Amino acid sequence: QKEVEQNSGPLSVPEGAIASLNCTYSDRVSQSFFWYRQYSGKSPELIMSIYSNGDKEDGRFTAQLNKASQYVSLLIRDSQPSDSATYLCAVNIGGGADGLTFGKGTHLIIQP
Amino acid sequence: DAGVIQSPRHEVTEMGQEVTLRCKPISGHDYLFWYRQTMMRGLELLIYFNNNVPIDDSGMPEDRFSAKMPNASFSTLKIQPSEPRDSAVYFCASSLYRGGAADTQYFGPGTRLTVL
Repeated sequence: QKEVEQNSGPLSVPEGAIASLNCTYSDRVSQSFFWYRQYSGKSPELIMSIYSNGDKEDGRFTAQLNKASQYVSLLIRDSQPSDSATYLCAVNIGGGADGLTFGKGTHLIIQP
Repeated sequence: DAGVIQSPRHEVTEMGQEVTLRCKPISGHDYLFWYRQTMMRGLELLIYFNNNVPIDDSGMPEDRFSAKMPNASFSTLKIQPSEPRDSAVYFCASSLYRGGAADTQYFGPGTRLTVL
């Protein structure tokens, strides 16, 4: 059974602070990891993808992957009110173009 | 470029009726995915196609659900007969496989289905 676990939140962070979102997954052979952002009533949009252990940075976003601990995280620096959304962690098992297994998401609120 | 197009955006129907959801993937993409999102279960993969061929339908909840992809530009998800527990947002997504690691899936706007 493939499982992706996230804290549902809400996670409340003051504007300008660092928001830290966490995700664990159960299948050790998982190869590709994604963070999607979903605004209320909208569709998911890709924020970051990561495939190798370590950190990957893109602007204010940093994804961190630790395959030994089966853990992936997303850091958002200098949080803005527009970052308020639900963040979905997704895992691809096969490494190819298979469908994704999603966590239920963490609701992030950035307080002005 | 047009993104993934889904229709209708909202559908309200009565229990027992047939429902057909439609999706047009991004031109040139060779993978198409159908997902369902509910508060209780989150976002779940139902079925996906590669070059119009169904690859994995293990997520389809039961025989009432069927999906087709008659050509590279069009896919349908049909529910017959519909039940109130089918109420959810149904997303279609597409991607282009370039080999190696998994590629970005682009989601359509979704169809919000309400079965009364």
